[in-house]
Amino acid sequence: GENVEQHPSTLSVQEGDSAVIKCTYSDSASNYFPWYKQELGKRPQLIIDIRSNVGEKKDQRIAVTLNKTAKHFSLHITETQPEDSAVYFCAASINTNAGKSTFGDGTTLTVKP
Amino acid sequence: SQTIHQWPATLVQPVGSPLSLECTVEGTSNPNLYWYRQAAGRGLQLLFYSVGIGQISSEVPQNLSASRPQDRQFILSSKKLLLSDSGFYLCAWSASWRGGNTIYFGEGSWLTVV
Repeated sequence: GENVEQHPSTLSVQEGDSAVIKCTYSDSASNYFPWYKQELGKRPQLIIDIRSNVGEKKDQRIAVTLNKTAKHFSLHITETQPEDSAVYFCAASINTNAGKSTFGDGTTLTVKP
Repeated sequence: SQTIHQWPATLVQPVGSPLSLECTVEGTSNPNLYWYRQAAGRGLQLLFYSVGIGQISSEVPQNLSASRPQDRQFILSSKKLLLSDSGFYLCAWSASWRGGNTIYFGEGSWLTVV
């Protein structure tokens, strides 16, 4: 089955700096890659996603890049703010009826003011 | 728009007692439904998923079970809870008729087994 590895497990940056979280996946058939943000005690929420026919996608301060050949994708957050502090999960899935996603283990991002 | 609700939000149960967590989805039909568990400070572990009424697939062996008695209702149960069952339980759904498989999570249920 699919295996997703996420690095780093913890990341601490100064406010205003950029943060990068990387994930690798094993199944070349995976074609959908969402990123979720989970604030303490709350549910994970989708912040951005990318499909395999796209190399990069940006939404304001957040961007995701995908390298299908190398089977890795990354989340980039620019001009970080304290409210960006949370746990971030990447995931990979194949567009099948079951719709299962394999999640990375998460990255705890701390933005220091 | 689609919404997902699960309850109860928190519960404290003694070891050996039964469990029932319920989840409903509104605003869509024939969704894929999931139960995830998240131990403190850990990742998301898929417990069960369902692609239709009465169709349940288990991802990990455990003393939990799931049922889908109606199209948009998903229930997580246990006959006898273990200490290791403590955690944050998340119900989730995705649209089986639409590509992309974005998973949307419910608010979660905090379970503490004492």
